[in-house]
Amino acid sequence: EDKVVQSPLSLVVHEGDTVTLNCSYEVTNFRSLLWYKQEKKAPTFLFMLTSSGIEKKSGRLSSILDKKELFSILNITATQTGDSAIYLCAGGGSNYKLTFGKGTLLTVNP
Amino acid sequence: DADVTQTPRNRITKTGKRIMLECSQTKGHDRMYWYRQDPGLGLRLIYYSFDVKDINKGEISDGYSVSRQAQAKFSLSLESAIPNQTALYFCATSDSTHIQPQHFGDGTRLSIL
Repeated sequence: EDKVVQSPLSLVVHEGDTVTLNCSYEVTNFRSLLWYKQEKKAPTFLFMLTSSGIEKKSGRLSSILDKKELFSILNITATQTGDSAIYLCAGGGSNYKLTFGKGTLLTVNP
Repeated sequence: DADVTQTPRNRITKTGKRIMLECSQTKGHDRMYWYRQDPGLGLRLIYYSFDVKDINKGEISDGYSVSRQAQAKFSLSLESAIPNQTALYFCATSDSTHIQPQHFGDGTRLSIL
């Protein structure tokens, strides 16, 4: 059975801090690792990673995948209150299904 | 207009009632999915469909059924609702070309009393 584990489950930081969210996975016939941000409604897509060691970056957010150690990290630098959300990690296999982790609840205080 | 539309947005009903949640999309995607989200449990897959004639069970399909009426429409039914089906339900779609991210609707909050 495929499994995705995120840590920490929750995190409280102050504006301006840098955070690192972790995701480890065990996915049969692994193809991709995805990160989503969920505020009040639908999860919104952040990154999809398919190759080891290649950083994907969007503004203050970046992510990288290690296929040998089966994990990914999501970094957020200079956090803002608008970064407060649940961050979801999901692993995709060859059957195009996604297995989601439980999410990390990030709270950024002013 | 949203690309993935779920109706209703909120629903409160009683145990034993039949409920249908609907999802429609304008993205032209072949693949559609139904998930439920419970606090602390993340998103769990209920059913998925890769085209109109292809329906598959996910990890928690018991108590649910689905219908893919057209490429753009995928509905989820609870034949006889029970309180532990109270959850936030999401529909998602993805393109069938290679590996693509899934795109989510805004969700249906379902409460069963």
